[in-house]
Amino acid sequence: GAVVSQHPSWVICKSGTSVKIECRSLDFQATTMFWYRQFPKQSLMLMATSNEGSKATYEQGVEKDKFLINHASLTLSTLTVTSAHPEDSSFYICSANLGGGNYGYTFGSGTRLTVV
Amino acid sequence: DQQVKQNSPSLSVQEGRISILNCDYTNSMFDYFLWYKKYPAEGPTFLISISSIKDKNEDGRFTVFLNKSAKHLSLHIVPSQPGDSAVYFCAASAPGGGADGLTFGKGTHLIIQP
Repeated sequence: GAVVSQHPSWVICKSGTSVKIECRSLDFQATTMFWYRQFPKQSLMLMATSNEGSKATYEQGVEKDKFLINHASLTLSTLTVTSAHPEDSSFYICSANLGGGNYGYTFGSGTRLTVV
Repeated sequence: DQQVKQNSPSLSVQEGRISILNCDYTNSMFDYFLWYKKYPAEGPTFLISISSIKDKNEDGRFTVFLNKSAKHLSLHIVPSQPGDSAVYFCAASAPGGGADGLTFGKGTHLIIQP
């Protein structure tokens, strides 16, 4: 079936550095990708909606200058956490909709980010 | 304010018995509900869903019930198996047919005991 490939699966970085997370849609084109964040024992919270060829739409409270999203092609969306701080440590997951309406959501395997 | 609530952080059920996971929502605009299963360090995998125009959907061992007037849905797993041990997320979608992201609950950690 359709797969969203997310890399890296885990990353440790120092405070102040930037980290890029990639999500690729395999075998299908994703005009829209969704980026979620999950803190321990919390729900997956939608951060932003990434649209191919246009600006991302950010949810309220999410800093667009801190979480840079680029969706330059129909198969690749990237999330860059800039100037990372320990409070940015979280589990980040991307998702795409295959076009089957509500049946179509498929998720990446997630990225565990730890900022030290 | 959490629009999708799963009030039980964990649930322990004996193998072979029925597991019932509950979910409540507050946004009456939600028109589609989904259940996902998630293992640690992995993305969620789709389990079963239900449209707001239905009150029941069944797929093998999994049945989802929707009580729209109470804004409540539940996932029944019967019989429960050891491989069912995971975190289960309830998610809701507003009209848009998949064009928007999902709103998730906090999840319920289901533990199936032998």
